[in-house]
Amino acid sequence: NAGVTQTPKFRILKIGQSMTLQCTQDMNHNYMYWYRQDPGMGLKLIYYSVGAGITDKGEVPNGYNVSRSTTEDFPLRLELAAPSQTSVYFCASSYSTYRGTGIFPTPDEQFFGPGTRLTVL
Amino acid sequence: AQKITQTQPGMFVQEKEAVTLDCTYDTSDQSYGLFWYKQPSSGEMIFLIYQGSYDEQNATEGRYSLNFQKARKSANLVISASQLGDSAMYFCAMRANFGNEKLTFGTGTRLTIIP
Repeated sequence: NAGVTQTPKFRILKIGQSMTLQCTQDMNHNYMYWYRQDPGMGLKLIYYSVGAGITDKGEVPNGYNVSRSTTEDFPLRLELAAPSQTSVYFCASSYSTYRGTGIFPTPDEQFFGPGTRLTVL
Repeated sequence: AQKITQTQPGMFVQEKEAVTLDCTYDTSDQSYGLFWYKQPSSGEMIFLIYQGSYDEQNATEGRYSLNFQKARKSANLVISASQLGDSAMYFCAMRANFGNEKLTFGTGTRLTIIP
């Protein structure tokens, strides 16, 4: 298994340009997530998806869009790049197995991709 | 809303000593999970350990253990016999177990192991 893969690893954009960050997982996970990590900070959730065709906003969704047409892929779209979007972007996935089984859920940690370092100038 | 607080921005520890990284959390959820992740200088996020809010025993994974004190809302990570390869950023995170799969992260602690 390759796990969670992200492309590209690095990218420099000019203000106003658009791009798509690709994320693919081969673990048949139902949940997928996009986070951004600003320098010296923890990760903040941008968008997440609980399954194909279902997406929802996280903590910092403005300026981004996502789609989930398949279980494997969860691309993140930046339409009009701004310097404030300079960050490292992490895609993650997990498999939820505990719903409806009571108050002792099975831990399902999130597996992270290697990240995409984006600079907007 | 959930909040994670890591009050130690940086720590220096002698090799082979034990180290405790602090994490306190705030949540109104009754059922939740606490996670620790390691981020080396290469940038990837590596899962270390998990503690469920209803787990009666503290979680352990090799040299990692989680000192879970529910009443104090703390979930400190203990690394025994530290090694040079433990130098990294460490993030505490939490997730509500029902209706919310999202992880909330702290700001991290940078651990440096001194030879």
